[in-house]
Amino acid sequence: EIVLTQSPGTLSLSPGERATLSCRASQIFSSSYLAWYQQKPGQAPRLLIYGASSRATGIPDRFSGSGSGTDFTLTISRLEPEDFAVYYCQQYGSSPPWTFGQGTKVEIK
Amino acid sequence: EVQLVESGGGLVQPGGSLRLSCAASGFTFSSYSMNWVRQAPGKGLEWVSYISSSSSTVYYADSVKGRFTISRDNAKNSLYLQMNSLRAEDTAVYSCARECAEGWCMAYWGQGILVTVSS
Repeated sequence: EIVLTQSPGTLSLSPGERATLSCRASQIFSSSYLAWYQQKPGQAPRLLIYGASSRATGIPDRFSGSGSGTDFTLTISRLEPEDFAVYYCQQYGSSPPWTFGQGTKVEIK
Repeated sequence: EVQLVESGGGLVQPGGSLRLSCAASGFTFSSYSMNWVRQAPGKGLEWVSYISSSSSTVYYADSVKGRFTISRDNAKNSLYLQMNSLRAEDTAVYSCARECAEGWCMAYWGQGILVTVSS
């Protein structure tokens, strides 16, 4: 099983600042299988990034993904008020079981 | 518009059974693989099960293997999760999610249905 470890657990930032979220895997897998999701309280997760770096339809370009091998990063270039949420990375489509990271909460400082 | 609506949740005693349903609309259901994902109260996301578009391939998380069964009825645009031998740790909001048209990801999610396992 591929274990995904996200860091930090919580990120306290102000609107307009840059957010850098990390997702580290316990073993190498293709970046094609790495996705990022945003979840706000009481809402379903929303797909942000797939294939490690491709933005999903309608996702603003302030969101970007990068990485390969075991290290992946989600960057939010300038935080907007609506970006404060929990973010999950996921490996999906490689070898089951598909797994999620434990999440990074981006909160207002 | 893609819609996924779960039903069938509720309160069940430990050891009991429950069958969840997910009604899909707004897309060609028979063309897409589907998943169940759960989220325990205050916790993160946990993938539960996967079924391919033709039902030929299914996968389960180790935590539910042998107790849960995923299935689908493409004629009824519906996805199911039969949950047996339920435990307190199965308490969670269960959501169905559709695979992406491009890439490996989950493009659309239902709002979820709460399953509570308690005596």
